[in-house]
Amino acid sequence: AQRVTQPEKLLSVFKGAPVELKCNYSYSGSPELFWYVQYSRQRLQLLLRHISRESIKGFTADLNKGETSFHLKKPFAQEEDSAMYYCALRGGYSTLTFGKGTMLLVSP
Amino acid sequence: DAGITQSPRHKVTETGTPVTLRCHQTENHRYMYWYRQDPGHGLRLIHYSYGVKDTDKGEVSDGYSVSRSKTEDFLLTLESATSSQTSVYFCAISSGNDSPLHFGNGTRLTVT
Repeated sequence: AQRVTQPEKLLSVFKGAPVELKCNYSYSGSPELFWYVQYSRQRLQLLLRHISRESIKGFTADLNKGETSFHLKKPFAQEEDSAMYYCALRGGYSTLTFGKGTMLLVSP
Repeated sequence: DAGITQSPRHKVTETGTPVTLRCHQTENHRYMYWYRQDPGHGLRLIHYSYGVKDTDKGEVSDGYSVSRSKTEDFLLTLESATSSQTSVYFCAISSGNDSPLHFGNGTRLTVT
């Protein structure tokens, strides 16, 4: 069975500090991983996917198959980064299994 | 936005009543999904569809049914609403293959 673990419910940092949101997965096949972001009471938006290797809004994420991780990083947090972040793993029929989410709070 | 409309946006209903939520897409995507979002649980898949009249159960399908009679519409029905079904429901679509899921704005359902 596939599983996504986000160990932190809440991550609180100051503006300008580095951020790392952790994501670990369990999957028997070749994984495809995503990060979605949800700003206050809005719809989920795709932030990153590992196959594109893009940097969106200064965020990056690298798939580490040895550690089964896909941590989300940003060198300098901004207040507008405050949001709920979800890591997700693709399964059959393009379904996604989500982690429970990490709330990022960036204080001035 | 990815051309997804969910209706209604908000609904309050009583325990035991049937409720239907609608997801409408204008993208002609093959795959459609219903998720529920709850604090401490993240998003969990209820049902999904991989084509017209082709649907399957997700992780938390008990108490829910779905129908997809045409490509653009995916209906989620709570046959007899319970308080445990109070949640925010998100519809998502995908063209499949390497495409990501795109989400609607959600329906906030309260069962009293």
